[in-house]
This record gives sequence, structure tokens and C-alpha cells, in this order.
Amino acid sequence: GDSVTQMEGPVTLSEEAFLTINCTYTATGYPSLFWYVQYPGEGLQLLLKATKADDKGSNKGFEATYRKETTSFHLEKGSVQVSDSAVYFCALSDSGAGGTSYGKLTFGQGTILTVHP
Amino acid sequence: GAGVSQTPSNKVTEKGKYVELRCDPISGHTALYWYRQSLGQGPEFLIYFQGTGAADDSGLPNDRFFAVRPEGSVSTLKIQRTERGDSAVYLCASRSDRATGELFFGEGSRLTVL
Repeated sequence: GDSVTQMEGPVTLSEEAFLTINCTYTATGYPSLFWYVQYPGEGLQLLLKATKADDKGSNKGFEATYRKETTSFHLEKGSVQVSDSAVYFCALSDSGAGGTSYGKLTFGQGTILTVHP
Repeated sequence: GAGVSQTPSNKVTEKGKYVELRCDPISGHTALYWYRQSLGQGPEFLIYFQGTGAADDSGLPNDRFFAVRPEGSVSTLKIQRTERGDSAVYLCASRSDRATGELFFGEGSRLTVL
């Protein structure tokens, strides 16, 4: 079945440091890939997405590129801020061979990011 | 409301009791999902509704879990004979467009079974 593996956390960085959170996946079909973020006291929010190979999703300074050859979707940010402290989840939605998707997401275990001033 | 609303936000119950968790999706969203998130884990899929019908209930762990969406809007997740292992945050999400894949999540209902 489908699965998502994220690098283990927690990750602790100083403000303005470079961030990478690794994510790899296995899927039987043609997945779309997502990063969701959960800020303290809030619900999960979509951060960025990519729907096909070599697509780059980006938002709020975060980027991730859909790498089919390595089945990866690593999250990066060049300069983190204290406000980026949150839990980050990589996820996939497997469209299947028919190319349709009803949005069922498979999540990784999450990575806790703490950014210090 | 503007977002997905879940009630109660916290529920503490005793082993063996019956529990209902409610989800009010974004107005007009036809797709509704329930997920369960255990401590330190990512959300796990439970059930998906398209309109009033459960299109995929493959994630429900056993027959103590049941969900309904009688009018295609509000959904209720029902757990019978609760067990301590049912303690988790139960998340609801809704979506309008099949093509985009973006789900909008509520803040969850934290269930604690003593």
C-alpha cells in the first residue's frame, strides 16, 4: 500500500538557518504530493503541493520538488523564522491508474520544527 | 462558518461508554473525510463521504466505529464501547473540488478514554 516516510525529528534551528525536511514515498499509482503544516493550537493547513513529476510547489518561502526518480518530496526553506515553528507533514494522494483522485491522503508521521531567535 | 468546525474540542469518557463527535464542513463542500491522529503520529484515514454516502470506509478500525452524514453536510462519528486505545485526536476535513486535492481540516476533537 501507499506510505510516506519523513525524517525523524524534532528539528531545532536558529533563526535564518537553512531548513530541509526529507520525505520519501511509495505509491502504486500516480500520486500528488503535499506538505501540510500544523501551527500550535491550529488545524492542519496546506503549505504546498505538486501534482506531477518535476513540479515545484512553493509557498511562504518554502519549496519542494516532486522527484519521481528518487520518490522524494523534500521540504526546504532558505531562512527560517521563529514563526515557522510548527509540525510539518508530508502526504500523498494516490490518483490511481485512472487519473482520478478523491483526495484520500496518506500522511507521514510528522516532523516537529522549533526555531529559536 | 468560514472553516471546518468540530465539536466537542475535548471529550473525556470512561471505557465502555458511547461517544459522538460532530463535524460541520465548509458550506458547499461535498466531500468529507474523517482521520484519526494518535500522539506523535500523522493522521490516519478513517472514512470518506461524497454527499450522503460513505464512498470509502476502509480505514474504520472495527465495527465499533460508525459515521453518518444524513443530509450531505454535517457528519457524526460514532464510537461504541470505547476502549483506551481509541484515545486520539479525531480530525475532520472537507473539500469542494475533486481535482485540486486540497483538504481543509478542522482543529480536531481530542478524545480521552479513561
